Amino acid sequence: AQTVTQSQPEMSVQEAETVTLSCTYDTSESDYYLFWYKQPPSRQMILVIRQEAYKQQNATENRFSVNFQKAAKSFSLKISDSQLGDAAMYFCAYRSPQTGANNLFFGTGTRLTVIP
Amino acid sequence: DAGVIQSPRHEVTEMGQEVTLRCKPISGHNSLFWYRQTMMRGLELLIYFNNNVPIDDSGMPEDRFSAKMPNASFSTLKIQPSEPRDSAVYFCASKYSGTDTQYFGPGTRLTVL
Repeated sequence: AQTVTQSQPEMSVQEAETVTLSCTYDTSESDYYLFWYKQPPSRQMILVIRQEAYKQQNATENRFSVNFQKAAKSFSLKISDSQLGDAAMYFCAYRSPQTGANNLFFGTGTRLTVIP
Repeated sequence: DAGVIQSPRHEVTEMGQEVTLRCKPISGHNSLFWYRQTMMRGLELLIYFNNNVPIDDSGMPEDRFSAKMPNASFSTLKIQPSEPRDSAVYFCASKYSGTDTQYFGPGTRLTVL
């Protein structure tokens, strides 16, 4: 079974600074999908960014970007110009490409605090 | 688009009572997922449906849990009888089966006393 590990239970960043959240995963598959979800105090899970393993280019969504290192099975999230609204739990998730395998495997999350 | 809709947002009940959680997926999505989130176990997939048919229910903890999807726009997760250890946030998510991104609802916070 795939496992996703987030080794940083908590992180903090000064407003306007940059922070990187770590994620590693274990899989024997060569193609798969990776995601970062944000869970603010409202509890809703919001998709931040996704990456397809067969694409070498790192995904970017405005202030959010990833550093995808396939050989190292690492998928870190970089948040630039941090804003107060970025404070939340961040979850890394993995999805297998197998037909019918639609479920996501989540890490345990990293709580990000943004300091004004 | 209204997004995934879940009701109720909060539920407080007593041990032994029946609890029904409801979900309306995004229109056009044909895959639906039920997740449970607890401090101890994190986010766990309970069951998912494809075209209203349950595909994988291996995450359902025990026979007290059941899920149905009578049509493409509605699903329920029922717990009968409920126990204090069922207290958690339950999420519903949906997606179109040809894509890989799931969209989550706001969750239902269940407290069983």
